Order: sequence, then structure tokens, then C-alpha cells
Amino acid sequence: DAGVIQSPRHEVTEMGQEVTLRCKPISGHNSLFWYRQTMMRGLELLIYFNNNVPIDDSGMPEDRFSAKMPNASFSTLKIQPSEPRDSAVYFCASSWAGGADQPQHFGDGTRLSIL
Amino acid sequence: GESVGLHLPTLSVQEGDNSIINCAYSNSASDYFIWYKQESGKGPQFIIDIRSNMDKRQGQRVTVLLNKTVKHLSLQIAATQPGDSAVYFCAENNQGGKLIFGQGTELSVKP
Repeated sequence: DAGVIQSPRHEVTEMGQEVTLRCKPISGHNSLFWYRQTMMRGLELLIYFNNNVPIDDSGMPEDRFSAKMPNASFSTLKIQPSEPRDSAVYFCASSWAGGADQPQHFGDGTRLSIL
Repeated sequence: GESVGLHLPTLSVQEGDNSIINCAYSNSASDYFIWYKQESGKGPQFIIDIRSNMDKRQGQRVTVLLNKTVKHLSLQIAATQPGDSAVYFCAENNQGGKLIFGQGTELSVKP
């Protein structure tokens, strides 16, 4: 079975540019999560969606960050304009929220470098 | 300049030995816990979970123990193999739909 698919796997761009990260959750999962991982702060939840609706975006660092989920099989995380401190690995995860307590399954991440 | 980052606890074991990785969680109301394994260049991979109405759960070569009295979780890996080398994270469900992750423990298996 296909897991969570993220693209691109690596992104290198100059500061000020717009960056768009993409995620395809596991088919049938109705919750989607965006995380950021850095050496300094570990794994941080940025935002999560249930049934395509944003539930909690309190982890989004600034207005430069935005996320959308136009349908059940696709989500984007956008940074505009990007800054060097945004450099990190960004993970998408999905889970099935229909039952009590289901694990989140992660993609392999996008390694983002802002020069 | 000097970079400062998280200093992960490290556990070094001999191949074939058993490993025990510990985790203290923060919220006494958390009712669901998960262990993840993260290899270099990959995302966290689900290993095993446990609900708060249980004290122990076993999988293939792995056992998770939960002590709610002291808010402690442990992961035991039997007959540790080189392929088990990775960073291991515990996570707790804070009942708000979110997982709270620990800082991780790096397991190094010596052949």
C-alpha cells in the first residue's frame, strides 16, 4: 500500500522566494498533519486538518506560512516569502480519525534549504 | 559560529542484546501513546502503540510498558540488530487530537 507521499524531497531556493510543499495522504485517512523538524526544536506540529478543514493552526510560525487542503487526497504548505530560518525538514502525516486513537503515519519529508 | 542543537540521549548496545529506551511524558490525562523509529533521511515510522487502560503490549521483538503512576513509558527491543539503529521517539495524545513528541533517543547498535 502507498504511504504518505511528499514532494519535492529536497528544495533549495533563495530567500524571498515562494516555496510550496505537497502532500498526498494515505487513501481513506481523514486527518492530515504538517510538522517541521529541526535540530534546535525537534519535531513541531504546524497545523492539522480533519475532513479537509483546518482544526488547529496554532503551530504555524508566522503569516508567511499557509496551508490548504482542497480535497481529501492533497494538501499544500506554502511559505511566502521564505527566509533562511525556515530551513528544516517538513513532514506530512495522516491518520484515520474515525476510531479511538489511531497512529499517524508519516511521509519521508521535504528537506528545505533557504539560502 | 558554533551551532547549538538538541543533544539527544544516546544508547549504545551490542548486537544481540536487549535494548530499553525510556520516556517520561508530561500530561497525566494523556490516554494514548506511540513509539516511532526514525532512520536517517526518513520520516518517523510507527512501531507500536498502547492505550492508557493497558500496562503492557507486545509486538514482534518489541514491548511497550506504561506506568501511569510515574508517567513513564518504555520500549524494549529484544535481540537488537544493526537495522534497529535509529532515533526513537515516544509520543502522547493530549486528547486534543494532537501528538506531543519527546526529544528522541538515539540507539546505536555495535556489531
